[in-house]
Amino acid sequence: KAGVTQTPRYLIKTRGQQVTLSCSPISGHRSVSWYQQTPGQGLQFLFEYFSETQRNKGNFPGRFSGRQFSNSRSEMNVSTLELGDSALYLCASSLTGSHEQYFGPGTRLTVT
Amino acid sequence: GQQLNQSPQSMFIQEGEDVSMNCTSSSIFNTWLWYKQDPGEGPVLLIALYKAGELTSNGRLTAQFGITRKDSFLNISASIPSDVGIYFCAGRIIQGAQKLVFGQGTRLTINP
Repeated sequence: KAGVTQTPRYLIKTRGQQVTLSCSPISGHRSVSWYQQTPGQGLQFLFEYFSETQRNKGNFPGRFSGRQFSNSRSEMNVSTLELGDSALYLCASSLTGSHEQYFGPGTRLTVT
Repeated sequence: GQQLNQSPQSMFIQEGEDVSMNCTSSSIFNTWLWYKQDPGEGPVLLIALYKAGELTSNGRLTAQFGITRKDSFLNISASIPSDVGIYFCAGRIIQGAQKLVFGQGTRLTINP
């Protein structure tokens, strides 16, 4: 069974631009969560989606948003990019009712 | 917010040595997960713990869910070069929610 896939793997943007990252969960997994990883803050929870609904949200500004499609694929969007948004963005999926999350390889976003 | 204190932050050991790391919190967790992350990749789930006092092994890895539900530890026996990486603990406070709180990681370096 294929793992969690994320596209693109690397991205370079300039301040003020917006970006959309994509995540395809493991087949059969309907829950998708997003995390931001930086050297200073570590892994921080962004939001969780299940059945196209956001179930949980972390402490990030409204510039960070996401959505989930009927096939469980998810996207996250960051608008008006700031230098501090440079990070590894990780997506994780899990089976309904399971507490185990499986991560993708991440998208490395660099904002210049 | 919830905090997980993971220690040590880094370890430098000789191949063949045993390794021990732990996570503590002031909050009660109902799930503990241990992950390993290699450079440029997403975290890989090693062990999941669900009950206070639970002791679970995965090959040379052993993890325990603390009796107070506020801590967990991970042991690696007879370390080998491929054990090099960053180990993260993660906990879930809210039953049924996918939001994970992560420790800051333990960077393991092994001298052959």
